[in-house]
Amino acid sequence: AQTVTQSQPEMSVQEAETVTLSCTYDTSESDYYLFWYKQPPSRQMILVIRQEAYKQQNATENRFSVNFQKAAKSFSLKISDSQLGDAAMYFCAVRGGSEKLVFGKGTKLTVNP
Amino acid sequence: DAEITQSPRHKITETGRQVTLACHQTWNHNNMFWYRQDLGHGLRLIHYSYGVQDTNKGEVSDGYSVSRSNTEDLPLTLESAASSQTSVYFCASSGTGTGGTEAFFGQGTRLTVV
Repeated sequence: AQTVTQSQPEMSVQEAETVTLSCTYDTSESDYYLFWYKQPPSRQMILVIRQEAYKQQNATENRFSVNFQKAAKSFSLKISDSQLGDAAMYFCAVRGGSEKLVFGKGTKLTVNP
Repeated sequence: DAEITQSPRHKITETGRQVTLACHQTWNHNNMFWYRQDLGHGLRLIHYSYGVQDTNKGEVSDGYSVSRSNTEDLPLTLESAASSQTSVYFCASSGTGTGGTEAFFGQGTRLTVV
């Protein structure tokens, strides 16, 4: 079974600053994928960034980047130059050969002006 | 544009009633999933399907059922609604054998059981 742990129920950051959201996971599979999803108040689930476990290079999407530590099973999300629109729930998820997404409990990010 | 839609967006029902939540996708995806979202629990998998006539139980399947008669639809039925099933429900779909590609989510259905 796969599990995902997000140890920070809530985080806050000042506008224009950088924040890092933590995620650890457990899986017995060798081929898997990791994701960060954003859920704003509209409830829509929005893919922020994905990482293939077989790739050593950390994924980057504009202001969003990950720190993928495979041996430690850690997959943190860094948001640079935080904007008010980044305020949302963020979910870390893992997906293996079964195609099922397994989610963490989420981190609520507040961005202060 | 392809999309995945859920209906209704909001529903209030009474304890003991049967309720069906609809999910329709036009991505032509084989994989479809139902999740429930509760505060402090994230998203938990209820049922999923890899194709027509295929259904599987997830981690919180008790009291729920699904059927897959075509590629586009995976309705979720609550056989006898209970207050513990008050939640936000999400449907998602994804392509087959493409574990790294994006799973697309519907807008969610907020269900209240009174």
